[in-house]
Amino acid sequence: EIVLTQSPATLSLSPGERATLSCRASQSVRSSLAWYQQKPGQTPRLLIYDASNRATGIPARFSGSGSGTDFTLTISSLEPEDFAVYYCHQRSNWPDTFGGGTKVEIK
Amino acid sequence: QVQLVQSGAEVKKPGASVKVSCKASGYTFTDFAIHWVRQAPGQGLEWMGWINPGNGHTKNSQKFQGRVTITTDTSASTAYMELSSLISEDTAVYYCAREIVYSGSYYVGYWGRGTLVTVSS
Repeated sequence: EIVLTQSPATLSLSPGERATLSCRASQSVRSSLAWYQQKPGQTPRLLIYDASNRATGIPARFSGSGSGTDFTLTISSLEPEDFAVYYCHQRSNWPDTFGGGTKVEIK
Repeated sequence: QVQLVQSGAEVKKPGASVKVSCKASGYTFTDFAIHWVRQAPGQGLEWMGWINPGNGHTKNSQKFQGRVTITTDTSASTAYMELSSLISEDTAVYYCAREIVYSGSYYVGYWGRGTLVTVSS
């Protein structure tokens, strides 16, 4: 199965700063990658699909890039509500897999 | 609006089985696949499998070595996930989730609230 490795595990930043999250796949997933946000006690929310497209209702400060094995989620300027855990998810090859997550915490 | 309502929390003994239900509403049940994802306490998301309610086709993660069975009752717009031979490491919140389609690509877009399954002797 394809292993998705997310880094860093934790990102400590202040509101207004830029966040850059990485997801690396053990083999190519083309562009079949999504990013999810999960806050404590809530279900995951789809942010980005096909590596770089924002899902409906997602603010423009969230952007995704990459293809093949290296992907990035960027939050251009952190809002207080953006502090959460972020997961990448590949749908290129069975079985689907998720990355281990990156926690974005308030510095 | 799309809603996925899951069954309530369960406490099971090691070696037992658990069956979690997920009742869908707000759309045509047979039009979209349902996935099952679990999350152990304080841990990340783990994909378990999915089913196409339209034709019953299902695929599960081999990690569960045949312990997972995913089924649907289309007359009730309900999906089920049964996990057998439970061990303590199966303690987790189990989510059902429906696919969403963007430009011909399918991703998980709608989530149930989750069902906590606790395995304890």
